[in-house]
Amino acid sequence: EDQVTQSPEALRLQEGESSSLNCSYTVSGLRGLFWYRQDPGKGPEFLFTLYSAGEEKEKERLKATLTKKESFLHITAPKPEDSATYLCAVGSYNQGGKLIFGQGTELSVKP
Amino acid sequence: NAGVTQTPKFRILKIGQSMTLQCTQDMNHNYMYWYRQDPGMGLKLIYYSVGAGITDKGEVPNGYNVSRSTTEDFPLRLELAAPSQTSVYFCASTKSRQGTYEQYFGPGTRLTVT
Repeated sequence: EDQVTQSPEALRLQEGESSSLNCSYTVSGLRGLFWYRQDPGKGPEFLFTLYSAGEEKEKERLKATLTKKESFLHITAPKPEDSATYLCAVGSYNQGGKLIFGQGTELSVKP
Repeated sequence: NAGVTQTPKFRILKIGQSMTLQCTQDMNHNYMYWYRQDPGMGLKLIYYSVGAGITDKGEVPNGYNVSRSTTEDFPLRLELAAPSQTSVYFCASTKSRQGTYEQYFGPGTRLTVT
């Protein structure tokens, strides 16, 4: 059964304190791993897609990496505006166009 | 492009009432999805569609119905609303192309059933 688990559930950082969010997955035939950002009261906003182990993508203070079992979202020198819930999702070849989402990590960055 | 739009933004229903949540996308995407999100939980797939006239059940379809008569629209129907259907509902769409399935989401409809 395809599964996605994110940790921690919540993370509180001081401004400038770098850290990482984890997404562990079990899937038969990874088609892609997706990271989204969700602000309170809004829909998820697409950040990155990773397709194969060893791949990395960056956007501003965010860097996503992928291994065969997990993905990390590294946040370097975060700012208060990075506060949001970060969702991870996987697509597999036996799920067609569907994604399986993790429960999310709620990030809070204090000034 | 407006992207994915949803109406209404908020709604309160009484138990047993029915309603339709509207979803429209203007990106010519062929795949469309309906999710519900409960507090502290991830997104659960209710129904999805791979094109006009084609729909299929997701993980939590009970109590809901969908139709897809056009590429742009994918309404979600709630019949006989129950308190368990209190949730935030998101519509999403994607252009199916090999190897890439990032989905784009609407702003959500917050539904309360009392």
